[in-house]
Amino acid sequence: GAGVSQSPSNKVTEKGKDVELRCDPISGHTALYWYRQSLGQGLEFLIYFQGNSAPDKSGLPSDRFSAERTGGSVSTLTIQRTQQEDSAVYLCASSLVGRAAGTGEQYFGPGTRLTVT
Amino acid sequence: AQTVTQSQPEMSVQEAETVTLSCTYDTSESNYYLFWYKQPPSRQMILVIRQEAYKQQNATENRFSVNFQKAAKSFSLKISDSQLGDTAMYFCAFNSVGANNLFFGTGTRLTVIP
Repeated sequence: GAGVSQSPSNKVTEKGKDVELRCDPISGHTALYWYRQSLGQGLEFLIYFQGNSAPDKSGLPSDRFSAERTGGSVSTLTIQRTQQEDSAVYLCASSLVGRAAGTGEQYFGPGTRLTVT
Repeated sequence: AQTVTQSQPEMSVQEAETVTLSCTYDTSESNYYLFWYKQPPSRQMILVIRQEAYKQQNATENRFSVNFQKAAKSFSLKISDSQLGDTAMYFCAFNSVGANNLFFGTGTRLTVIP
């Protein structure tokens, strides 16, 4: 399909292990966003990419979290030394242009449910 | 700082009836966008409706419409002729022009009862 895809769909990991979450945005979308959705909460912004650069990392909760984007397309969110409080759904979104130059509309993937045991 | 508040954690409605979900927001910006997203059990966030703050006319999309009150910073969603497929979490979101991200409320879980 032509939508945003994320993998894996679900990930269970042991506390202290590293995990990588992948996002494949809609082709041609230059802006990419990562959000975290904890149980019973709204979405919490993590990081924004414009092309391959990340002008806004203000939402990353700690230095255990990092993200990269290569080729202006696929992005990987890495969580090192996972903790139980990292358990959440991680959602990726993309938009045609960044900084709401257009409609401000973001298209979301189905998310990765991360469970840290 | 931008904040979005949804004061109704859960709501239910009979099939074919009308329901209104509430949302208020706080911002000092004058130009911004407001959105309602639907999140069914599949977790896929789906855009339901969008409103530009500079437009006075309320947005409508088929059975979905909004009541946008800019002075009151209120943005409610009305769902008419509710269908079973409308059962989902509904999130209100805000995005100021030039901002990098959406600000979301905590959501309202809507159940449509057959």
